[in-house]
Amino acid sequence: GDSVTQMEGPVTLSEEAFLTINCTYTATGYPSLFWYVQYPGEGLQLLLKATKADDKGSNKGFEATYRKETTSFHLEKGSVQVSDSAVYFCALSEMDSNYQLIWGAGTKLIIKP
Amino acid sequence: DGGITQSPKYLFRKEGQNVTLSCEQNLNHDAMYWYRQDPGQGLRLIYYSQIVNDFQKGDIAEGYSVSREKKESFPLTVTSAQKNPTAFYLCASSKAGGFTDTQYFGPGTRLTVL
Repeated sequence: GDSVTQMEGPVTLSEEAFLTINCTYTATGYPSLFWYVQYPGEGLQLLLKATKADDKGSNKGFEATYRKETTSFHLEKGSVQVSDSAVYFCALSEMDSNYQLIWGAGTKLIIKP
Repeated sequence: DGGITQSPKYLFRKEGQNVTLSCEQNLNHDAMYWYRQDPGQGLRLIYYSQIVNDFQKGDIAEGYSVSREKKESFPLTVTSAQKNPTAFYLCASSKAGGFTDTQYFGPGTRLTVL
């Protein structure tokens, strides 16, 4: 079945460092890919998404490119801030999963000033 | 402002009790979802509904029940049959439940069994 694998956390970085959070997936068809962010004690909110191969999603300085050849959707940001500290979830959706989101386990990001 | 509201924010339940978690959306979305989140883990789907008066079981439906009598509302009942209900519960909605749709989440309800 479909699955999403994220790098384990926590990931701890200093402010202004470069961020990469790896996400790889397995899917039978052509999924849509999503990154969601969860701040402490809150619900999730969409960070960015890509719906076809080679699409790049971007928002708030974060970027991720849908790479079908490597089945990856890695999240990157050039210079992180303390306010980026949160849990980041990678997810996919496709017809074979009845359009339901398949979630990664989440990666906790800690940014130190 | 459009959005999803969940109530209560915190809920305490004694063993053997049923409790109902509220979820309301004013986004005019057709599809609604309930997820369970345990500490340090991802989200697991409990139930989802793509249209009024219809809903389907997710991966962990045992011990839970839902109803969808109105488009705006999708309450979740945690029954006494759910053996380990302490968790963070998240409600979400999307426009039509299609595979490119974004899901919008409420702020969550934290349920603790005493």
